[in-house]
This record gives sequence, structure tokens and C-alpha cells, in this order.
Amino acid sequence: GQNIDQPTEMTATEGAIVQINCTYQTSGFNGLFWYQQHAGEAPTFLSYNVLDGLEEKGRFSSFLSRSKGYSYLLLKELQMKDSASYLCAVLNTGGFKTIFGAGTRLFVKA
Amino acid sequence: GAVVSQHPSWVICKSGTSVKIECRSLDFQATTMFWYRQFPKQSLMLMATSNEGSKATYEQGVEKDKFLINHASLTLSTLTVTSAHPEDSSFYICSARPGQGAGVSYNEQFFGPGTRLTVL
Repeated sequence: GQNIDQPTEMTATEGAIVQINCTYQTSGFNGLFWYQQHAGEAPTFLSYNVLDGLEEKGRFSSFLSRSKGYSYLLLKELQMKDSASYLCAVLNTGGFKTIFGAGTRLFVKA
Repeated sequence: GAVVSQHPSWVICKSGTSVKIECRSLDFQATTMFWYRQFPKQSLMLMATSNEGSKATYEQGVEKDKFLINHASLTLSTLTVTSAHPEDSSFYICSARPGQGAGVSYNEQFFGPGTRLTVL
């Protein structure tokens, strides 16, 4: 089967750091995406990891461990505008389909 | 670059009518397009994968006769919700994956802005 797990909701304070975890079990693996989605809008691309390790891009970093089926998205220097849903998604092999997790709703408070 | 548009952005219709949603890749050729549905506070659920010039591949549980998909060109895919009912009210999002050599990551997909369908 295919399963992607991430916390439903998280709350953090403006200026702080937050880590959103994602574990996955999928039929084949061809990379993992993180997307940001504001309410009523389409997802926007944040990161793509296909090799183990940490990828840093400004305030956002993404980590992948393929052997553990685990990834996290790290958001630094949180801003109010970072309040959104963060979707973990796995690209499988074969059909090249992207399977999405349920998303983590992040609330940033002042 | 890599912009995907959807039309309309929102639509309200009466129960029993059909609604067509267009998805266009504006500055690249998309060999594959995907259609997703998203209910409030839920994640994106893949409905079907659409390849140019061939029949769409539907996910389990998605009625192909109700959700008609046509991918007539490398820049356009359409989703028609036939005989829509209130339970079909949802946010429909398309995404497009460029062909090889398009200058972007082959594995990346680009999302349209979504279409909010409300069936009365």
C-alpha cells in the first residue's frame, strides 16, 4: 500500500523555527516534494529531494532519509505569512504519479 | 516560465448540468497533465492522469463516465463533470508535467490556480 503521514496541525511563534515531519511508505520512490498551500489557492513548490541529506533554500530547508522513509521541512525565522498548509508528496516510479499526504496546517502566532 | 492556467476559476451550476474545466500550459508543452480534487481541509486526491493523444488513466473509485478528460494537445487538457450533483462540489486543480528537454526538472509538476465548483 501507499501511506504518507504528517501531523495534522502545528502552531509556532513568529521568529521561531518549526520542523514538519513526514514519513512515507510507497510503492517505489522517485523523490519527495514539499508544497505550500494557502487556503483556496493551488499548491506552490518548495523543495524536491531525491538523495539523502539536507537541501537548504533561504529560510526553508528539507531533509530526506530514504532508508527510514522520512523527511522533514524546516522553516526558520517564521513570519505570519508562513501560516498555510504544507503538503508532503512522494513521486513514485513507473507511472510517475505524485501521491500527497493530508497536509500539515501551520499556524504562526505573534 | 512554467505557468499553468485554469478556466474558469469558479463556477456555480444547477444539479444535473455539465461543467467543463480547461487546463492550459502557457509556456511549455505538457506531455502529462494531472487532475486533482480537494475537499475542504483535506489533501489533494489524484483523480486521473492525462497523456496527450491517449485515454486518461483514472484512479480507483473515480468514475470515468462522470469525469470526462480530454487531452487534445500538448498544452490543453479538459475535465468535464457530467450531470453534476452537490456532492461534486469541490476545488479541482490541474497540474502539468513538462516533456523532456523543456528546460525544467522532468519530475516537477506545475499547478494551475484551481477551479472552485459549487453545484446547487
